[in-house]
This record gives sequence, structure tokens and C-alpha cells, in this order.
Amino acid sequence: EIVLTQSPATLSLSPGERATLSCRASQSVSSYLAWYQQKPGQAPRLLIYDASNRATGIPARFSGSGSGTDFTLTISSLEPEDFAVYYCQQRSNWPGTFGQGTRLEIK
Amino acid sequence: EVQLVESGGGLVQPGGSLRLSCAASGFTFSSYAMSWVRQAPGKGLEWVSAISGSGGSTYYADSVKGRFTISRDNSKNTLYLQMNSLRAEDTAVYYCAKDSPRYCTNGVCYTGGFDYWGQGTLVTVSS
Repeated sequence: EIVLTQSPATLSLSPGERATLSCRASQSVSSYLAWYQQKPGQAPRLLIYDASNRATGIPARFSGSGSGTDFTLTISSLEPEDFAVYYCQQRSNWPGTFGQGTRLEIK
Repeated sequence: EVQLVESGGGLVQPGGSLRLSCAASGFTFSSYAMSWVRQAPGKGLEWVSAISGSGGSTYYADSVKGRFTISRDNSKNTLYLQMNSLRAEDTAVYYCAKDSPRYCTNGVCYTGGFDYWGQGTLVTVSS
């Protein structure tokens, strides 16, 4: 089983700052990694697929990078609505397991 | 517009059974694999089970294998999850999710993600 480890567990930043979230896989998943955003009381929303492709309707301030075992989700300039929990999901072994999440909170 | 609407959640005693449904609309249901993903209170996401578009292939997390059964009725555009021998640790919000198509073109493969989710249905296992 491929294990995904996200860091940090919690990230405290202010609106306008840049956020960098990490996801590390226990073995290579090539570029087959997705990122989701979840706000309280809501279902998750697909942000990024195949490491670097933005899903439909996702703002350009969200970007993904990485391959193999190390991946990064970057939010270039935080908006108030971006404070949420973010999950990565590996898609190498379909349908894919999730990381434990990173909580992005307002500082 | 794609819509996924779960139903069937509720309170059940340990050892009991429950069947969840997910009514889909706005897309060609039979063309897409579907999954169930759960989230225990205050915890992260856990993939539970998946089924191919035709229903011919099914997959389960080890934590539910032998107790849960996923199925679909493409004539009714509905996904199901039959949950038997329920345990306290199965308490969670259960989401159904539509999978993106996986394909390769020009030597590059794409695996997508879960591009649409339902609003979730709460299952509570307690005496």
C-alpha cells in the first residue's frame, strides 16, 4: 500500500501570503497525484490532477508540482476563502489513497 | 449539471446493516467509475470502495473487505453501498464520488481525480 504523508499538519498564514503544502509518497507514484480542498461541512473539491493540472474552474493562484515521491501544492497569494483543509491523493494504484491532510488556518 | 445525492444513512447498532444509495444525474453514469469515500468525525478522508462503469470490477479497502458490497444500477443511474456487520469505527460521513476517465495520449497518461462529490450521508454505529 502506498502511504502519503502531508506536511505540515497545520499551516498558519495571513491573507496575501504564499502557501506551500507538501505531500510525500512512500514509493513512486509518477505524476499521478491529485489535490483536494475541503471546507467545514462541505464535500471535498478537486483542485489539481496529475500533479500539475488545474481542475475546471480552479483559480490560477493554485498550482501543483512534483513527480515520483515529492509533490507540492502552492497557493500564490492567499484569499480568505482558501483557508481550509487540503488532501493529496495518489492515483498510481487506482482509485487511490489519501494523505492525512494539511489544515491551512488564518494567522 | 452533474449532481450526486446520497441517502440511506442513519443510526444503526453494532453488527447491523445499512444500504446507502447515490443518485446520479447530469452525466452518462455508465461511462464512469464511481467510489465511496468516508470521513470519520474530525478525521481525514478514507477511500472505501470503487466500481467500474459497467459494474464488472469492484475494489475495497482492507478495512471493509468482506463486510461491504458496492454495486450500481446503470438503468437507474444509482450507486449503492451495502454495509453489513457494522462496527463503531465505521461511523462517518459517506460520500459518493465520480471518477475522472483515465487515458493515455501521445505517450502521456492522465489519471484525473474524483471530480464530483455528493453532499454526504452520516452513518452512526452505536448502541
